Amino acid sequence: EAGVAQSPRYKIIEKRQSVAFWCNPISGHATLYWYQQILGQGPKLLIQFQNNGVVDDSQLPKDRFSAERLKGVDSTLKIQPAKLEDSAVYLCASSLVAGRPNEQFFGPGTRLTVL
Amino acid sequence: DAKTTQPTSMDCAEGRAANLPCNHSTISGNEYVYWYRQIHSQGPQYIIHGLKNNETNEMASLIITEDRKSSTLILPHATLRDTAVYYCIARTSYGKLTFGQGTILTVHP
Repeated sequence: EAGVAQSPRYKIIEKRQSVAFWCNPISGHATLYWYQQILGQGPKLLIQFQNNGVVDDSQLPKDRFSAERLKGVDSTLKIQPAKLEDSAVYLCASSLVAGRPNEQFFGPGTRLTVL
Repeated sequence: DAKTTQPTSMDCAEGRAANLPCNHSTISGNEYVYWYRQIHSQGPQYIIHGLKNNETNEMASLIITEDRKSSTLILPHATLRDTAVYYCIARTSYGKLTFGQGTILTVHP
């Protein structure tokens, strides 16, 4: 079974630039999550999709972050404009369906460095 | 979701059992106990979860106390590859995975 795919793996940008990350979840997984993990901390949920609808985006900084999941499969997370404090690993995860005690499968993450 | 408390770090000798404790004294009746781990430079990996009963799978065993206020993750024969950050999380079926600082487990040769 193929895992969660993310690209790029690494990205370096200057502050005020824009950046986008891509995630392809495990086939058949209805729920997709984006997490931000700052160095030394545990991952923090940014947004959760159920199919192509947003379930929870309460911790997404909406003035600069946006995410979409067109057609309920792939997803992109965008930051515009980036700030120094956005330097982190951005993790994508998927699960079969929300509302059940099932596991989330995580991708390898994209490490973003903002200079 | 209930707050969990874990030791910051633990050591274990290779081949011995690693017992990682977690306190969740405010856990509610519909909250599960989940364990994930994160090996360096990788995404978190699901290990096991349970509600009331003890659970075992190919990776680990989960022992939950009768009052459900604490639990222990057991890696029966730790290897160097088990060196990772281990996260204990309490959540409902619809709840978020809220990661804390976790326990850094170091397995020594």
